[in-house]
Amino acid sequence: GEDVEQSLFLSVREGDSSVINCTYTDSSSTYLYWYKQEPGAGLQLLTYIFSNMDMKQDQRLTVLLNKKDKHLSLRIADTQTGDSAIYFCGPGRRALTFGSGTRLQVQP
Amino acid sequence: DAGVTQSPTHLIKTRGQHVTLRCSPISGHKSVSWYQQVLGQGPQFIFQYYEKEERGRGNFPDRFSARQFPNYSSELNVNALLLGDSALYLCASSASGTAPYNSPLHFGNGTRLTVT
Repeated sequence: GEDVEQSLFLSVREGDSSVINCTYTDSSSTYLYWYKQEPGAGLQLLTYIFSNMDMKQDQRLTVLLNKKDKHLSLRIADTQTGDSAIYFCGPGRRALTFGSGTRLQVQP
Repeated sequence: DAGVTQSPTHLIKTRGQHVTLRCSPISGHKSVSWYQQVLGQGPQFIFQYYEKEERGRGNFPDRFSARQFPNYSSELNVNALLLGDSALYLCASSASGTAPYNSPLHFGNGTRLTVT
């Protein structure tokens, strides 16, 4: 299978919570990252979690890590239209490994 | 503080030509990495440089090369361009030479290369 897998598309209503999931194969990462990419732009670092943590909260963002299952998730509370973008999870030791990302569409 | 800056923002080249892309890291960052993002896919790692030395190389042909200068800026060179080289080329900087193992990468907005 792919090194990093994410669902391609997620649609939510404004004000709802969004949950973006990621599974990965490389367990050697010390940090696991979440990036956001808006149209025509580069990758914006959103947050990251240390591999010995289960959860990290950063304002509207909550990251959950299940190291045993190699599963990472990003929860966005009170999703806004400005959150519409492609989200990439990025594990990696010597370099970041990305899948195809999840396109989040927020409907007003 | 300025983020990672890349130039040019857009570029159109013909097959067989050569291209040079430039990147200036965040002030104080000594490591620069290059990624290629083909439309509809996630970025793929090309190179990492730290203190002017190559620290890592992805699975790209020898037509791709890079270097880092004493001021920590970097150039990515691609020779004998192919149609398949059309992509967004992203530069990222980090404070540590062992990023992303222990330090996040901060990306620029990229250079959009179109090969016709």
